[in-house]
Amino acid sequence: DTGVSQNPRHKITKRGQNVTFRCDPISEHNRLYWYRQTLGQGPEFLTYFQNEAQLEKSRLLSDRFSAERPKGSFSTLEIQRTEQGDSAMYLCASQANTQYFGPGTRLTVL
Amino acid sequence: RKEVEQDPGPFNVPEGATVAFNCTYSNSASQSFFWYRQDCRKEPKLLMSVYSSGNEDGRFTAQLNRASQYISLLIRDSKLSDSATYLCVVSDSNDYKLSFGAGTTVTVRA
Repeated sequence: DTGVSQNPRHKITKRGQNVTFRCDPISEHNRLYWYRQTLGQGPEFLTYFQNEAQLEKSRLLSDRFSAERPKGSFSTLEIQRTEQGDSAMYLCASQANTQYFGPGTRLTVL
Repeated sequence: RKEVEQDPGPFNVPEGATVAFNCTYSNSASQSFFWYRQDCRKEPKLLMSVYSSGNEDGRFTAQLNRASQYISLLIRDSKLSDSATYLCVVSDSNDYKLSFGAGTTVTVRA
């Protein structure tokens, strides 16, 4: 499979716990994006990387959120001290000319 | 005001019918325009890019009106498999981050 992959696909956690998601982009795509989608809404931009550099962060990305792409390949998104409002689908996309989305990680915070 | 506004529908149409819907966007600096399709609990997938002169892809026709800042999608000869949520998406040319509408739900019935 040469598409974008995300792990885990589902995560259930208790409020206050930390969670980390991983995204493996399509090989050689230098841009990688994170989005968040809640029920009934379209995806909302969170942050993006060009190679290993994080170039922009949305105001949606509070201090509890951090993203990395240490070698310009895979990326991780960590949420510290999760809140119920963090429950959403977290989508990763990589881009050469077109953005291709991974299957997402569905987070449920109890 | 949201950057991209869509009629949420749902549009409930019989097989073979034509269905059309549109969206409006607020950022006049937007340079790229797309329709993405999203099936229930799946990731968004690019349906088609939208060009200034309008473009067709099989049964799908997209139009862009820059002056009025709206984008339309028309589906001819609807198939059951066209049932999905259609996301209107705009982007500027600097960072390519995508701004999504909330989606228009289309259900094609037998």
